Amino acid sequence: EADIYQTPRYLVIGTGKKITLECSQTMGHDKMYWYQQDPGMELHLIHYSYGVNSTEKGDLSSESTVSRIRTEHFPLTLESARPSHTSQYLCASSAQGWQPQHFGDGTRLSIL
Amino acid sequence: GIQVEQSPPDLILQEGANSTLRCNFSDSVNNLQWFHQNPWGQLINLFYIPSGTKQNGRLSATTVATERYSLLYISSSQTTDSGVYFCAVKQTGANNLFFGTGTRLTVIP
Repeated sequence: EADIYQTPRYLVIGTGKKITLECSQTMGHDKMYWYQQDPGMELHLIHYSYGVNSTEKGDLSSESTVSRIRTEHFPLTLESARPSHTSQYLCASSAQGWQPQHFGDGTRLSIL
Repeated sequence: GIQVEQSPPDLILQEGANSTLRCNFSDSVNNLQWFHQNPWGQLINLFYIPSGTKQNGRLSATTVATERYSLLYISSSQTTDSGVYFCAVKQTGANNLFFGTGTRLTVIP
C-alpha cells in the first residue's frame, strides 16, 4: 500500500483556533490533493498541487489554505476554525501522467 | 462537470452471498478507481481500472469505457466487506477525481 500519512487522525477543538492538518508522502509524487467529506457523503476536492510552489483551489470552495514548500509535504491550514468546518479531510497523492491516486487515512475534525 | 452515478445506494447481504455494484459516468474518462471506505473512514484502493477487467482475490472489476460504465463484483462476501464503495473518475484534462455518492454495503452474519 502507498506511503501517505496524515496527522492528527482525530481532532476536537474549540471555535476560533488555528489548525494545521499534516499530510506527507514518501513516494516522491508530484501531485497532491486535499478532499473534504461530510458524513455519509462523497468526497469533494478542495485543493491540489502539481509540484513545489504550485497550489490551486478545487471544485468545492473552502476557507482553508495550503502550501507546498517541499515535494513530500502538503499541509492544510484553517486560520480560525468554525463549527461549519467539521468534516473529514483526506489527503491523496499521485505520480505524473494517468496514475491512480493514493489516499491517507484522513483527519476527522470536530469544531465545538 | 462529469456525472457519476452508483447503484444500488444501499445493499444488505447475507455472509457468503455475491453482489454486483455499478458505476455509470457521463463522459469519457482516463482514470477510474474503485475504493472501499471502512467504518473508520479509511479509503482503501481496490482497483485502478480505466478499461478492461482485473481481479484481486474475491473482488473483480470490469470497465467498459466506450459504454461509460464499470462494475465491481464481490464474491463470497464477508462481514469485513461492509462499508461504502466509491467509484471515482477523472476526465481527460481534468485536475481531480470526481466521486460517485457510493454504495453502502452491509454484510450480516
